[in-house]
Amino acid sequence: AQSVTQLGSHVSVSEGALVLLRCNYSSSVPPYLFWYVQYPNQGLQLLLKYTTGATLVKGINGFEAEFKKSETSFHLTKPSAHMSDAAEYFCAVGRNNAGKSTFGDGTTLTVKP
Amino acid sequence: DTGVSQDPRHKITKRGQNVTFRCDPISEHNRLYWYRQTLGQGPEFLTYFQNEAQLEKSRLLSDRFSAERPKGSFSTLEIQRTEQGDSAMYLCASNQFRGRDTGELFFGEGSRLTVL
Repeated sequence: AQSVTQLGSHVSVSEGALVLLRCNYSSSVPPYLFWYVQYPNQGLQLLLKYTTGATLVKGINGFEAEFKKSETSFHLTKPSAHMSDAAEYFCAVGRNNAGKSTFGDGTTLTVKP
Repeated sequence: DTGVSQDPRHKITKRGQNVTFRCDPISEHNRLYWYRQTLGQGPEFLTYFQNEAQLEKSRLLSDRFSAERPKGSFSTLEIQRTEQGDSAMYLCASNQFRGRDTGELFFGEGSRLTVL
């Protein structure tokens, strides 16, 4: 079985500050890891993914995440927050040929001017 | 290139009524997924298809729920005898599997169900 824990259901940062959204996973096999973003009244869209290879993954809009197997973590970061980053962020875990992914409960990011 | 589309976007119904949601995936995608999302939670997997075959069903999918993808294109999710606990956003997603699954899902905007 696989599971995801997102630490902090709400994170608030000032514009220009570092964004750090935490994700820890549980998986008995090598995981595929994903971050999705959901803006109000829109569908989830992929920010970035880790399947194999380089553990530091770069995504869209300046976000990146690092897969740390020893810590079973896949935290999402962005050096400088922008007002447009305000949204809900979901971490998800899957595996090769699993079909489905298992999602965390999400973290709502608020960016203050 | 059109994305995943879902219909209707909103449905309000009375307890005990049946409802049906439709999902049209991205045309070249052979896998189609249904998820349910309630307030404050992430999407929960319900079921998925590869072409017309239903490959997995969650235990969340009670006997009142049925999903089909008859021709391997669009899919329907029917809920019979709706209950207030069925109120949620029903999400559809799709992707292309070619012997190796990258796992990335392309989501529609969801169908919100409110059961009164």
